[in-house]
Parts: sequence; structure tokens; C-alpha cells
Amino acid sequence: EAQVTQNPRYLITVTGKKLTVTCSQNMNHEYMSWYRQDPGLGLRQIYYSMNVEVTDKGDVPEGYKVSRKEKRNFPLILESPSPNQTSLYFCASSTSTGPEQYFGPGTRLTVT
Amino acid sequence: DAKTTQPPSMDCAEGRAANLPCNHSTISGNEYVYWYRQIHSQGPQYIIHGLKNNETNEMASLIITEDRKSSTLILPHATLRDTAVYYCIAVNAGNNRKLIWGLGTSLAVNP
Repeated sequence: EAQVTQNPRYLITVTGKKLTVTCSQNMNHEYMSWYRQDPGLGLRQIYYSMNVEVTDKGDVPEGYKVSRKEKRNFPLILESPSPNQTSLYFCASSTSTGPEQYFGPGTRLTVT
Repeated sequence: DAKTTQPPSMDCAEGRAANLPCNHSTISGNEYVYWYRQIHSQGPQYIIHGLKNNETNEMASLIITEDRKSSTLILPHATLRDTAVYYCIAVNAGNNRKLIWGLGTSLAVNP
């Protein structure tokens, strides 16, 4: 089944403790992206990747890192999480001709 | 990229057609209209897209006005499972990775 998977689905952590949210897709898509969703603000793009080893900032990249070493994986790294990064996070992927994006199930992160 | 405007909420009776409007009066000639929906904090799901002509697929129909300043997503026989937030997005064909998400329309399908 074609899908985008994210892990973990739920995470509660403390300020400053490094964490990684994994994203994997099995559709051989070139493009992958991370979004965060907050009440009243909608979906905002954090980072995106056009292909392996090619990443770029979205609208709200501060406090996040990404890497794209393999085509199927696009992990999101929070080196020092803060409470304002408490949010619902989505990973998405699409083909190079897109832009229909396929979204993962989401990761609900709480930073205390 | 064109900004889209949608009503914040709508209601529909189960089994009836749900018509969700979207205004995109500043849309340019190379911008497509895309629709996604998000069911209760799940990942958004692609529904349909169009440029000028009306489009139909197994999920919905998309009616775009001749001047392209507005469009309507039609769910012909709404079910309770269609309760979701529906997003209308104008997507530039030349920069088709940049999706500007508004707050969408929260559709409640009532029994």
C-alpha cells in the first residue's frame, strides 16, 4: 500500500531534549516536506526537499533541522525543543511533477 | 500566489449535495485550483484540481467559473464521513511545491 509513515505518532518531551521525528514514503517520490499545524494558523511549511541531498527552508524553519540521505526518508530533528514547538506535525511527499501531496498521519508533539 | 477565501463553516444534510465555495479573484493564468480535505487532525487528503475546465472524479466535482475568479467543490451525496475541513488552494504551475494553506471550510454533515 502506498503510504507515508511517521514515527512516533505522539510524543511528550521536555525542553532541550533532542528528538527526531521520522518520515518514510514507499512511493519513490522525489519531493518531501514537513509542515506544522497550529490552531488558527493552518498548515505552515517547515522544510522541504526536492531530492536526495537537496533541502531548503520553508516558512517556519527556525529551531528545526532536516536531512535527506535516502530518497524514502526525511527525518525532522529538533536539537533543543522549546514549548513553542508544541504542535501537530505532518510529513508529505509527491512526485517531481506534483503537486498532489500525500500526507502522513501526523505526529502530535508536546514540549513541556 | 493567489490568496483564496472560503467560508469558515458550512452544514449539509446527509445524502444531499454539499457545495463548498472558494473565491480566488486574484488567480493568475498559470495557477491551478486544488482542493484537499482534512478529517479530524489526520493528514490532508488530495481531492481534485483544475485549471479552467470543470473536473470530476470518484470523490467530487469541481466547477470553475469562466473568469476563474471562483470555484465550487461539489460532493454529490454527502455522508457523515465527509465531515472534514476542506481547503481550496491556488497552485502556481511554475512553483508547484509552494502550497499556501488557509484555514479552510469546516463542513459538518448532519444525519
